[in-house]
Amino acid sequence: DIVMTQTPLSLLVTLGQPASISCRSSQSLVHSDGNTYLSWLHQRPGQPPRLLIYQISDRFSGVPDRFSGSGAGTDFTLKISRVEAEDVGVYYCMQGTQFPPYTFGQGTKLEIK
Amino acid sequence: EVRLVESGGGLVQPGGSLRLSCAASGFAFSTYGMNWVRQGPGKGLEWFSYISSGSVIMYYADSVKGRFTISRDDGKNSLYLQMNSLRDEDTAVYYCVRTGSYSTFGVWGQGTLVTVSS
Repeated sequence: DIVMTQTPLSLLVTLGQPASISCRSSQSLVHSDGNTYLSWLHQRPGQPPRLLIYQISDRFSGVPDRFSGSGAGTDFTLKISRVEAEDVGVYYCMQGTQFPPYTFGQGTKLEIK
Repeated sequence: EVRLVESGGGLVQPGGSLRLSCAASGFAFSTYGMNWVRQGPGKGLEWFSYISSGSVIMYYADSVKGRFTISRDDGKNSLYLQMNSLRDEDTAVYYCVRTGSYSTFGVWGQGTLVTVSS
């Protein structure tokens, strides 16, 4: 199974400042079809997760452009250009390249300073 | 509006059984693969079961293999999870999730809580 490792596990950010979360996979996430099935999800307290980014850098419908994804192979990054209050919660990376199983990172908790 | 609504959660004793349902609406349910993902109290996300469109393929994580069974009824736009031999560690919020293009988990239900305790 592919293991997804996120850093840091918690993040304290001032409103309006940038934030960055890293995700590393134990194997390359490049599929034999050439795509890389790496997604980022956000979960607010008491809510189900919601998809933010897929295929490394494509924003899902309705996701603000302050969220961006980058990376390749085994190393990926989610960036928030200017953190807003609604961005608090836990962020997960997830791989769908080698499935089953789909696997998630441990989660990174973002709080406002 | 695309929607998934889980039901059937509750308190069950270790060794007991429970059947979860997920009602889908607002999209062509029969054409999508569907998943169950769970989240233990204060923990992260764990995918544990998938069913393809047409019920051709089913997958399970090792943690539930042999105990849980995923199924679907496309005529009722519904996904099911039969859970047997429940353990304390199965206590979690259970989410029904649609698989979209590019292996995305773009549509999630609100979740249903399953508590396994004596």
